[in-house]
Order: sequence, then structure tokens, then C-alpha cells
Amino acid sequence: DGGITQSPKYLFRKEGQNVTLSCEQNLNHDAMYWYRQDPGQGLRLIYYSQIVNDFQKGDIAEGYSVSREKKESFPLTVTSAQKNPTAFYLCASSIVGQGSNQPQHFGDGTRLSIL
Amino acid sequence: QKEVEQNSGPLSVPEGAIASLNCTYSDRVSQSFFWYRQYSGKSPELIMSIYSNGDKEDGRFTAQLNKASQYVSLLIRDSQPSDSATYLCAVNVRGSTLGRLYFGRGTQLTVWP
Repeated sequence: DGGITQSPKYLFRKEGQNVTLSCEQNLNHDAMYWYRQDPGQGLRLIYYSQIVNDFQKGDIAEGYSVSREKKESFPLTVTSAQKNPTAFYLCASSIVGQGSNQPQHFGDGTRLSIL
Repeated sequence: QKEVEQNSGPLSVPEGAIASLNCTYSDRVSQSFFWYRQYSGKSPELIMSIYSNGDKEDGRFTAQLNKASQYVSLLIRDSQPSDSATYLCAVNVRGSTLGRLYFGRGTQLTVWP
């Protein structure tokens, strides 16, 4: 089955620790995105990537880093510089190249909490 | 600043009623519009896409777009308790980075039996 796989489902971070959230897709989508969602809030864009080895900051990139070494994978690292990392993290992907009309499809999310 | 605004809710309707969810956007060159449904604790699920002025129907769902008024809505007919969720409006802007969506904060819908 085609889809987007995020792991782990739950993650706990200690103070001063970096943690990495995994996102893998087998939809052959070019573009991938990371969002953060806080309770009662909409989605805020952290980073996005349209092609391998290239990515752009979104609206709240501070304290996060990403890589895009393979088309299928777009891991997100939450660094110790992110002082309030507790949130629901969502990875999404979409087709690029047919104008700007393509919707994004989401993985199941990773819930990150501080210990 | 591109903004997407949704009626804050929560919206509560009885089973069988029509639920009406509204969304306005600030950028006149917005081109593509999407409605996502998000159940509590789950990820958003795409339920409707609309690109042209007018209505688009899919089962019990109807999306309505009015670009002149910068307004997009979602109607849910014969609402069911299983429709209880948060509905997110998302807008893609022509000229923005391809694929980038701007999301509203969502409207929480409760359908009571």
C-alpha cells in the first residue's frame, strides 16, 4: 500500500537532547513537508523540500533541522535549541509539477513530549 | 502575510442536519482550495478539493468557492455523529512555492444524536 510512514508514534525528549523524527513515503511524491500542531491550533510549517538535496525554511524553522538525501525520506531533527518542542508533528507529501493544484497527504504523526 | 480564517466554532448540529463550515482567505491570487477532516488525536485527511468558482459535490459533502468574495465553504448534508471532527481549510497561492499550503486553525464540529 502506498502511503507516508512516520515513526515513532510517541517520542520523549530529555533536556538538552536532540531527537530525530522519521518520515518515509512510497508515493513517488517530489515534495515533502513538516508541520507542527499545538492543541487547538492549526498547522504551522517547519520545513519543506521539493527535490532531493534541497529544502527551505517554513514559518517556524528555528530549533529544527532536516535533510533530504533520498526522494523517499525527509527526517526532522528537533534540536536542544527548540525550547518548547512538545507538539504533534506531521509529515506530508505532494506531487509537484502540475501547477500549484496538488493537495498534500499526511502521515499519522509523531507526538513529542519533554521528560 | 497570507491568512486563512475559519469560523472559530465549536459548531454543534443535530444528526441529520446540514453543517456549514466557512473559510475566508486574504490573498486574491489564491488558486487551489482544500478541506481536510481531522479526528481527535489523528492526522488530517483530505476530503474535498475545489479549484473553480461554484459548487463541487461529493456524496454528502459540497464545497462552494467564490473567488470574488475570497470565500470557500463546506456543507455536510445529513450530518452523522461520525462527522464529529475538526475541519481544516487550506489554500494554495499561485506564485508561491509550488505545493505550499496555508491552513486555517480549523472549526470543531460536533454532531449529536
